[in-house]
Amino acid sequence: SQTIHQWPATLVQPVGSPLSLECTVEGTSNPNLYWYRQAAGRGLQLLFYSVGIGQISSEVPQNLSASRPQDRQFILSSKKLLLSDSGFYLCAWRSLAGGTGELFFGEGSRLTVL
Amino acid sequence: AQSVTQLDSHVSVSEGTPVLLRCNYSSSYSPSLFWYVQHPNKGLQLLLKYTSAATLVKGINGFEAEFKKSETSFHLTKPSAHMSDAAEYFCVVSDPFSGGYNKLIFGAGTRLAVHP
Repeated sequence: SQTIHQWPATLVQPVGSPLSLECTVEGTSNPNLYWYRQAAGRGLQLLFYSVGIGQISSEVPQNLSASRPQDRQFILSSKKLLLSDSGFYLCAWRSLAGGTGELFFGEGSRLTVL
Repeated sequence: AQSVTQLDSHVSVSEGTPVLLRCNYSSSYSPSLFWYVQHPNKGLQLLLKYTSAATLVKGINGFEAEFKKSETSFHLTKPSAHMSDAAEYFCVVSDPFSGGYNKLIFGAGTRLAVHP
C-alpha cells in the first residue's frame, strides 16, 4: 500500500533562517506531488506541484522554492524565512495511473517563524 | 471556470443528531467531487468521492453525499453525529480540462462542532 511521510512535524525558526521540509512517498511510481499551505483563516493554498523529477510548477510567487531530486521525494525550501511563512504545510500525492484523481495527504508540518 | 462554495463556515450539532454540510460547485463539465476531513494539526483524509458513477456516494465513518446535477450540489450527511466527527471538512472539485495537471479546487472549509 502507498504511504506518504512528511517531516519535521513541528518547526520553530527565527526570521531570516533557512527552511527545508521533506516529503517522501512509498508504494507508487511517478506520482504527481504537491505542496500546500494552510495559514490561519485562509484555507488551503497550492504552492507547488511536480509531475516528474526536476519538474516544478509554482502556483504563487513567494519566498519559497521546491525541488524533486528523486521520483518520490519532494522538498520545500527557503533561504530566508519571513514571518508570513508561518503556517501548516501539507505534502500530497496523486496517481494518474488508474486512479480517480484524489489527493493523498501527509500529516503536515507546523512551521512557526518568530 | 471551476469553483466550489461551502455554504457554512461553522456547523454545530448535538451528539446523536444528523449532520448536514453543504457544498455547491460550478463546473463546465462533468466534475469529480470529493469530501475531505481534517482533524486538528493533522493532514486531510479522504471521506468519499464522486466520479460519475452512482449519485449517492457512501464514505468512511458513516458519511455519505449525494451528487445533484440540477442543483449543482454535493452535500455531506451523516445520520447521527459522534464526538469524534468534530473536525474541519473540505469539499473539493476536480476538472480534468482545467489545465495541464487536473487542478483540484478546495472549498474554504466547514468546521463541525459536536456537543454532548
